[in-house]
Amino acid sequence: ETGVTQSPTHLIKTRGQQVTLRCSSQSGHNTVSWYQQALGQGPQFIFQYYREEENGRGNFPPRFSGLQFPNYSSELNVNALELDDSALYLCASSYADRGTYNEQFFGPGTRLTVL
Amino acid sequence: RKEVEQDPGPFNVPEGATVAFNCTYSNSASQSFFWYRQDCRKEPKLLMSVYSSGNEDGRFTAQLNRASQYISLLIRDSKLSDSATYLCVVNGGYQKVTFGTGTKLQVIP
Repeated sequence: ETGVTQSPTHLIKTRGQQVTLRCSSQSGHNTVSWYQQALGQGPQFIFQYYREEENGRGNFPPRFSGLQFPNYSSELNVNALELDDSALYLCASSYADRGTYNEQFFGPGTRLTVL
Repeated sequence: RKEVEQDPGPFNVPEGATVAFNCTYSNSASQSFFWYRQDCRKEPKLLMSVYSSGNEDGRFTAQLNRASQYISLLIRDSKLSDSATYLCVVNGGYQKVTFGTGTKLQVIP
């Protein structure tokens, strides 16, 4: 196991609601990335946090926001949920040092269903 | 053109066969490359990094061709347990990480 945990494992919401997903990174890692994976697709990069600051963002609207805490755990918040937000949300942690990119380790994901 | 492209498959191969997947990328400045494996309804798991000189891990061999902008994964002596989706991952710098859509492999008894 990677040591990356996510909660909750499953979640059902309705359109217009807000949701917060949580991730605890692997010990020793300082970077957390969030991905959205729709059925049959590869993970799509949402954003990354490094030392509590956003460090890169994919093509997602501002209603997707996040936080990273001093212990490097992280939250993904999605406002005004839409049906198309239904997906598996993956958190990945890694160790970044001087711009080098190291492999990411994924948590088990949160499966979000929007009705 | 997509940033990272993979043949979605499925590749149906008999046990013991050798199978190869390619993945092309559009950003010539891409810095690092990985192959991940994803089982149905599970999270992706790192299979191997891809180094410029090529690298091997048991039955798995990864190659990088920067001139043609593709990476490859070769699996020898396929096992039933190799059945999964294989995701190509490209880091384009500034932590811009792009996944391919994955190639599905089904190893048949």
